[in-house]
Amino acid sequence: AQTVTQSQPEMSVQEAETVTLSCTYDTSESDYYLFWYKQPPSRQMILVIRQEAYKQQNATENRFSVNFQKAAKSFSLKISDSQLGDAAMYFCAYRSRSGNTPLVFGKGTRLSVIA
Amino acid sequence: DSGVTQTPKHLITATGQRVTLRCSPRSGDLSVYWYQQSLDQGLQFLIQYYNGEERAKGNILERFSAQQFPDLHSELNLSSLELGDSALYFCASSVDPSVHEQYFGPGTRLTVT
Repeated sequence: AQTVTQSQPEMSVQEAETVTLSCTYDTSESDYYLFWYKQPPSRQMILVIRQEAYKQQNATENRFSVNFQKAAKSFSLKISDSQLGDAAMYFCAYRSRSGNTPLVFGKGTRLSVIA
Repeated sequence: DSGVTQTPKHLITATGQRVTLRCSPRSGDLSVYWYQQSLDQGLQFLIQYYNGEERAKGNILERFSAQQFPDLHSELNLSSLELGDSALYFCASSVDPSVHEQYFGPGTRLTVT
């Protein structure tokens, strides 16, 4: 079974600075998707970014980018120019490319942004 | 706003009781997923439906059941509730199982006292 590990329960960053959240995963599959979800205090789960395992290019969405290292099974999220609204729980998630599989989530990293 | 709606937002009930959580997927989405988020277990997949049929099962207890109706809304039924069932229950939807983005509803906070 696939597992997702987020080794940093809590992180903090100064406003306008850059922070990187770590995620590693374990799978025997070669084709899959990886995601970062954000959960602010409202508890809504918001999709931040998606990476397809067969693509070597790292995904980018505005201030959010990933560093995908397939051989190392690592998928980190970089947040640039951090804003107060970035404060939230961030979950890394894995999904097999085959259709009938759910998302497998890590335990999450709580990010605080300091003004 | 993801377009996925869940009712109620909050539910407080006693042990041994039965509750029903409701989810309406985004317009056009045929697949619905239920997840449970608790402090000790994190986010765990419960069950998936596609166009009215069960497609995948996760760590769903026998006391829990779900269904998806012809209008595509889904209900999660939790019975013989225990204190440990207190959690945030999310519904997510996607167009079909081959689409990999899942869009989450706001969740239902269940408190069992």
